Amino acid sequence: EPEVTQTPSHQVTQMGQEVILRCVPISNHLYFYWYRQILGQKVEFLVSFYNNEISEKSEIFDDQFSVERPDGSNFTLKIRSTKLEDSAMYFCASSADNQPQHFGDGTRLSIL
Amino acid sequence: RKEVEQDPGPFNVPEGATVAFNCTYSNSASQSFFWYRQDCRKEPKLLMSVYSSGNEDGRFTAQLNRASQYISLLIRDSKLSDSATYLCVAYGGSQGNLIFGKGTKLSVKP
Repeated sequence: EPEVTQTPSHQVTQMGQEVILRCVPISNHLYFYWYRQILGQKVEFLVSFYNNEISEKSEIFDDQFSVERPDGSNFTLKIRSTKLEDSAMYFCASSADNQPQHFGDGTRLSIL
Repeated sequence: RKEVEQDPGPFNVPEGATVAFNCTYSNSASQSFFWYRQDCRKEPKLLMSVYSSGNEDGRFTAQLNRASQYISLLIRDSKLSDSATYLCVAYGGSQGNLIFGKGTKLSVKP
């Protein structure tokens, strides 16, 4: 069964540094998403992406965040200047048109 | 504010028991609903979509009541492997972003 893959599985970064989280969505999917889950809390939507542009973003997705699809397979989330409160699991998801979203196994981001 | 509310549990049940999860949502415009399961420190995995007519997949039955804005999941003959957190999820916007409940933790004991 095709999967969404994410790298790295764990990223440790100093506060204030930039971090890039990478995702390879399922190959025939056209809709891409990033979510985060702070430890012990619910999964929260960050941003959706379709046709090479952001479709929707939450209030969490401020100017420190950006997304990019640099080639035909990768989908990245960049956090420009990380804060302690950015520590969380970050999940990438993808979907086909009008189909449920499938999640990658996440990147655990730890900000020191 | 669009919210999905669930009983946090935990539900501790013996193998073979029937267990029911309930969920309410605040956005009456939501059109699609799902149950995902999440194992500890893992990604959410789609369990099933939820339809107004109700749908069944083996031991799992999901129901949607739009008038009450209420969703349910029933697990029959529970197995040890059903132990996980069950997430009630609604579509939040036109672009398909999902709104998650905080989840109900299920622990099935031998």
